[in-house]
Amino acid sequence: GDSVTQMEGPVTLSEEAFLTINCTYTATGYPSLFWYVQYPGEGLQLLLKATKADDKGSNKGFEATYRKETTSFHLEKGSVQVSDSAVYFCALGGQGGSEKLVFGKGTKLTVNP
Amino acid sequence: DGGITQSPKYLFRKEGQNVTLSCEQNLNHDAMYWYRQDPGQGLRLIYYSQIVNDFQKGDIAEGYSVSREKKESFPLTVTSAQKNPTAFYLCASSRPVQGSKNIQYFGAGTRLSVL
Repeated sequence: GDSVTQMEGPVTLSEEAFLTINCTYTATGYPSLFWYVQYPGEGLQLLLKATKADDKGSNKGFEATYRKETTSFHLEKGSVQVSDSAVYFCALGGQGGSEKLVFGKGTKLTVNP
Repeated sequence: DGGITQSPKYLFRKEGQNVTLSCEQNLNHDAMYWYRQDPGQGLRLIYYSQIVNDFQKGDIAEGYSVSREKKESFPLTVTSAQKNPTAFYLCASSRPVQGSKNIQYFGAGTRLSVL
């Protein structure tokens, strides 16, 4: 079945450092890909998405490019802030007309001042 | 404001007790979902419903039950058959709209603990 694999955390960075969180997927067909963010004690919020190969999703300084050849959707940010501390989830969906999403296990990011 | 409301925020269950978690949305979304979140395991799908009066089991439906009598509401009951119910429960909804298919919107969650 479909699956998503994220780099294991936790990830700890200093403010203004460069961030990469790796995400690879296994799926038949052409899924849509998502990054969601969860701040402490809250639900998930959509951070960005891409619906087809070579699409780049971006939001709040975060970017991710849908790479079909490497089945990857890595999340990047050039300069992280303390407020970016959260858990980040990679997800895929849109298979066979289904609304279901398959999530990775999440990567906890802590940014220190 | 449109959104998804989960209640209560914290819930405690005694042995042998059934408890019900509420999820209400005013986004006019057709599909609704329940996920369970455990530390280090990400989100796992319990049940989902694509239309009123219809729902399907997800990956970990055993020990849970749902109903979908109204478009706005999708309550989850954690039954006494669920032997390890302590977790963070998240409700979500979505509506297939051109260009935004599969975006799910989440509530703030309910944290369930066993007494």
